[in-house]
Amino acid sequence: DAGVIQSPRHEVTEMGQEVTLRCKPISGHDYLFWYRQTMMRGLELLIYFNNNVPIDDSGMPEDRFSAKMPNASFSTLKIQPSEPRDSAVYFCASSRKLLEETQYFGPGTRLLVL
Amino acid sequence: SQKIEQNSEALNIQEGKTATLTCNYTNYSPAYLQWYRQDPGRGPVFLLLIRENEKEKRKERLKVTFDTTLKQSLFHITASQPADSATYLCALAGPGGFKTIFGAGTRLFVKA
Repeated sequence: DAGVIQSPRHEVTEMGQEVTLRCKPISGHDYLFWYRQTMMRGLELLIYFNNNVPIDDSGMPEDRFSAKMPNASFSTLKIQPSEPRDSAVYFCASSRKLLEETQYFGPGTRLLVL
Repeated sequence: SQKIEQNSEALNIQEGKTATLTCNYTNYSPAYLQWYRQDPGRGPVFLLLIRENEKEKRKERLKVTFDTTLKQSLFHITASQPADSATYLCALAGPGGFKTIFGAGTRLFVKA
């Protein structure tokens, strides 16, 4: 398996623009997680899905952030409009189960909002 | 609020020595504690998981202890190698396992 795939790997955009991050989880994994990592706040869980259904989005910082999982092999995280404070590395991770199961992380998308 | 503390200062050790990293937590009753390794520019990679009813777990040169009374986990790398240089993250998952929270990580440098 190729592991968790994320695109793009790097994104530079201007404040106010819409940003869409994409993730393909490992086949057969029922859980998908979106994280954000910054120097100041470390790694934070934004939202996670189970069988394509959002379960907990309490980590989503604002209404500007939205996530979807239209099928088992694809998820998006959208920021609209983007702001400089959204600059971070965004990771997608997947796992087969929630308990007693490690999460497999993708390589991340490094986002810079100017 | 829930809080995880890892030594923010980098740990520098000599090759061959044992590296010991600390993870302390407050206001939390985790069912599981995990350790991840993260290299620059890459996502975290799972290393070990230990349950609340386990005191110690080993995997090759790695050893993790979990003291729920002290609310602390220690992560040991024996016979450390320069290739072990990375950031190590501690993560906790609650009884429901429904949210994993991560510490900020400790940077380890192993000198040859």
